[in-house]
Amino acid sequence: GDSVTQMEGPVTLSEEAFLTINCTYTATGYPSLFWYVQYPGEGLQLLLKATKADDKGSNKGFEATYRKETTSFHLEKGSVQVSDSAVYFCALTSGGGADGLTFGKGTHLIIQP
Amino acid sequence: NAGVTQTPKFQVLKTGQSMTLQCAQDMNHNSMYWYRQDPGMGLRLIYYSASEGTTDKGEVPNGYNVSRLNKREFSLRLESAAPSQTSVYFCASWGRDIHSGANVLTFGAGSRLTVL
Repeated sequence: GDSVTQMEGPVTLSEEAFLTINCTYTATGYPSLFWYVQYPGEGLQLLLKATKADDKGSNKGFEATYRKETTSFHLEKGSVQVSDSAVYFCALTSGGGADGLTFGKGTHLIIQP
Repeated sequence: NAGVTQTPKFQVLKTGQSMTLQCAQDMNHNSMYWYRQDPGMGLRLIYYSASEGTTDKGEVPNGYNVSRLNKREFSLRLESAAPSQTSVYFCASWGRDIHSGANVLTFGAGSRLTVL
């Protein structure tokens, strides 16, 4: 079945540092890929998505590129802020989404001032 | 505001008690889901409803039942709560996002359940 593997952390960085959170996947066919973010005490919010190989999703300074050859969708940001502290989830659907997304275990990101 | 609303936000139960988590969405989405979130486990799908009138088991359905009451509402019931069901529960719906136009999964704010 489908699966998503991501670094679990916590990942601790200083403000303005470069961020990479790795995500790799196993799926049948050509999945759509997502990053979701969860701030403390809240539900998950969509951060960005990509639906086909070489697509780049971007939002709020975050980027991720759909790499089919390496089955990866790594999340990057050039300069993180304290407000980026949250848990980040990589997810996929290979069935169009109606049967739900498969999530990684989440990466807890802590940004120190 | 358009979105997914779930109640209650917090609940404490004793082992063996029953309760129902309620969920409603106003985005006219066909598909709805219940996930549970546990430390170190990420999100795991309990049940989903691909369309009104249908429900299917997800990864961890044991101990739960669901009802798709209509297109808007999807409830999750614990008939006899156990401490292993202590978790944060999220309802979600899948469909077109009004801002981006893309199909995305939209989550409620979560329900924290403790079973003593």
